Amino acid sequence: DAKTTQPTSMDCAEGRAANLPCNHSTISGNEYVYWYRQIHSQGPQYIIHGLKNNETNEMASLIITEDRKSSTLILPHATLRDTAVYYCIVMVAVYNYGQNFVFGPGTRLSVLP
Amino acid sequence: DVKVTQSSRYLVKRTGEKVFLECVQDMDHENMFWYRQDPGLGLRLIYFSYDVKMKEKGDIPEGYSVSREKKERFSLILESASTNQTSMYLCASSTPGSNQPQHFGDGTRLSIL
Repeated sequence: DAKTTQPTSMDCAEGRAANLPCNHSTISGNEYVYWYRQIHSQGPQYIIHGLKNNETNEMASLIITEDRKSSTLILPHATLRDTAVYYCIVMVAVYNYGQNFVFGPGTRLSVLP
Repeated sequence: DVKVTQSSRYLVKRTGEKVFLECVQDMDHENMFWYRQDPGLGLRLIYFSYDVKMKEKGDIPEGYSVSREKKERFSLILESASTNQTSMYLCASSTPGSNQPQHFGDGTRLSIL
């Protein structure tokens, strides 16, 4: 199963872009990269996912390297509300109708005023 | 907007009690999931369901059962609560398809005394 490696923690100034890296060197061809975040005392919040191409939505951008061995989540203008633990996940198993997400330790992002 | 609602944010029960945790989603999703989240262990899948009245065991089903009588509602049952079931319980839902993200509720923090 593909595993991910993320920095334990990062700081970012409010209003600046937050770039969160993730290594997934053993990713296989049909596995997607997902990003979630979890604010204290809340459930995980879906942010974005992708396979090969870069993706963008209203929350963030996802940049996946050409060899797919790493990716970067970009929050373009970080706010204090973006302070959370960010999880990079590579889907590890596929049942007929669902997935079994495995959340690692993640990156604790602190957005500073 | 995606909405997964768990009936209680905090719950305290006694050893041996039968405990019901309820989850409702308003997105007409076919798939629903129950996880528990413990420090250092990440998320672990307990059960999931891909259709009404259908259920599949996850990685740690022992001591739990589930019920899905209606598409929007997925209940987790602790048959006889034990102290090692003290945890954060998270419900999620998704549409079918191996790349579809799961959307989580805010969780129920359950304490068994």
